[in-house]
Amino acid sequence: DTGVSQDPRHKITKRGQNVTFRCDPISEHNRLYWYRQTLGQGPEFLTYFQNEAQLEKSRLLSDRFSAERPKGSFSTLEIQRTEQGDSAMYLCASSLAYVSLFFGPGTRLTVL
Amino acid sequence: AQKVTQAQTEISVVEKEDVTLDCVYETRDTTYYLFWYKQPPSGELVFLIRRNSFDEQNEISGRYSWNFQKSTSSFNFTITASQVVDSAVYFCALSEDNDYKLSFGAGTTVTVRA
Repeated sequence: DTGVSQDPRHKITKRGQNVTFRCDPISEHNRLYWYRQTLGQGPEFLTYFQNEAQLEKSRLLSDRFSAERPKGSFSTLEIQRTEQGDSAMYLCASSLAYVSLFFGPGTRLTVL
Repeated sequence: AQKVTQAQTEISVVEKEDVTLDCVYETRDTTYYLFWYKQPPSGELVFLIRRNSFDEQNEISGRYSWNFQKSTSSFNFTITASQVVDSAVYFCALSEDNDYKLSFGAGTTVTVRA
């Protein structure tokens, strides 16, 4: 399967712990996006990369959140000192420029 | 401000009925893109269609059809002869620039009963 993959699919953590999620985009896609989706809502944009450059960050992305895309391939999203309000589905998507986004299966985070 | 409004929270139909999902958007840009995605119970968002602001032609793909009306800022989606497998949450989304940073509506949950 050559779609977008995300790891892990589920993560349960205690408040205050750090967590890191990984996204592997479709191989030829140069753009990579992170979104967050809470129950009953549509996905909300967090940040996006073109190759290895992070071009935009949403105001939703507090300083506890950091994303990287070294070498323009896979990306990681780290949340430090997790809070219960961080519980959500974290979605990764990739695209070629000017082409529609294709989403991965998401990582569901539960902060206890 | 909400850029995409999906006023219908839930729709329940019996198999073979048609169902229309409403989407109203708000933008000041003249160039923009509209999308529909399907999110089945498995959770993965599935791309259905992209439409740019200069193409007002309606589109049909199998049992799916889309009605784009700039005059009313609407991009409605119809499923004809619904099937149980159509049960999912459907999201309408708007991109106002070429980086495809999507603004999603809150989604409409469609339940098709056998």
